[in-house]
Amino acid sequence: ETGVTQSPTHLIKTRGQQVTLRCSSQSGHNTVSWYQQALGQGPQFIFQYYREEENGRGNFPPRFSGLQFPNYSSELNVNALELDDSALYLCASSRTSGGSDTQYFGPGTRLTVL
Amino acid sequence: QKEVEQDPGPLSVPEGAIVSLNCTYSNSAFQYFMWYRQYSRKGPELLMYTYSSGNKEDGRFTAQVDKSSKYISLFIRDSQPSDSATYLCAMSALSGGSYIPTFGRGTSLIVHP
Repeated sequence: ETGVTQSPTHLIKTRGQQVTLRCSSQSGHNTVSWYQQALGQGPQFIFQYYREEENGRGNFPPRFSGLQFPNYSSELNVNALELDDSALYLCASSRTSGGSDTQYFGPGTRLTVL
Repeated sequence: QKEVEQDPGPLSVPEGAIVSLNCTYSNSAFQYFMWYRQYSRKGPELLMYTYSSGNKEDGRFTAQVDKSSKYISLFIRDSQPSDSATYLCAMSALSGGSYIPTFGRGTSLIVHP
């Protein structure tokens, strides 16, 4: 186990609703990244937080937003859910945002949008 | 064309075989090259990372990076049924002060007894 936990494990929502996913980082890690993994695809980078500030964002619309808290836990919020948002959402924590720092992934939250 | 191309497989091999997994990429700015293993219903787990070109070995795993050809490989020796998983390549370049990985779609590997 990586020490990174995510909740909930599964979630079913309907189109137009809002969802909040949570991630608890590994102890001592101040960087958290969020990814979307569609079925049969690799993870796609959504954004990264370093010491509570967003310091990188992928090609996702503003309805995807996040927060990192002083204890380095994190949230991913998605507004106005669309059917294509159905995916596995992964968070990963690392000591820093450096290139050689290992990212430790959580087990993911599987979101289904009906 | 995607930045990182990876054959989804599945790749089916007998136990004990040498497995070769590959990715190609188009962005010459990539500096770090990683291989992750992902079991069903789990998050990816980092197997190896390499900085720039060259080879790196760790137990039964060898990672190779050829930046001139924009081609990376992962070799698994003496493959075991427990190696059955999806293998994701990823590579990162410096962007806005941090390294953001770009993943391939993953290759499904099946090692049968």
